[in-house]
Amino acid sequence: QVQHVQSGAEVKKPGASVKVSCKASGYIFSDYGIHWVRQAPGQGLEWMGWINASTGDTRYSPKFQGRITITRDTSASTAYMELSSLRSKDTALFYCASNDWNYWGQGTLVTVS
Amino acid sequence: SYELTQPSSLSVSPGQTARITCSGDVLAKKYARWFQQKPGQAPVVVIYKDTERPSGIPDRFSGSSSGTTVTLTISGAQVDDEADYYCYSAADNTLGIFGGGTKLTVL
Repeated sequence: QVQHVQSGAEVKKPGASVKVSCKASGYIFSDYGIHWVRQAPGQGLEWMGWINASTGDTRYSPKFQGRITITRDTSASTAYMELSSLRSKDTALFYCASNDWNYWGQGTLVTVS
Repeated sequence: SYELTQPSSLSVSPGQTARITCSGDVLAKKYARWFQQKPGQAPVVVIYKDTERPSGIPDRFSGSSSGTTVTLTISGAQVDDEADYYCYSAADNTLGIFGGGTKLTVL
């Protein structure tokens, strides 16, 4: 079955960077893309960006442009989302999701404090 | 810059019809998708391509589209449908955006 397993919770200082991983299984990783979504506590969903797992081509939301880098390692069937220059407002749950949005990771809580 | 606008909340009684709208210029050209999110859970797609329902989603969920507005309709809403609902679309097929979300209360 399709699964996305994300890395564990992180606590970071303001100004630091965080890198969250999303390991895919149950399908051919390089055939599809991966989305990243942020959800602050009690807030809505925010689309952050997307990567084409085959080519490595990326698209980023203008809101995160300049602070976000999404990469992938096809040999490990894993996508990564790195967010830099963290501030307290970045405290949130970060999700990865399949290209068709049908399969989500469990979410990774990043606390900036 | 583009955006999707939803009502922040909606309340219906069990058995009533709930209609949640989502408006934005991008919807005139691109499909919308609707997500249901319950507390502590990841979102789930309930409608895609404006009107299509994934397998396993009850047929009381339906979607429609007109111009720059899409609507999620829950016919005969149940207490179990109480959740946050988000519309989503993607300009240029990969530059995505979510609506602000609608908190649906069924009581």
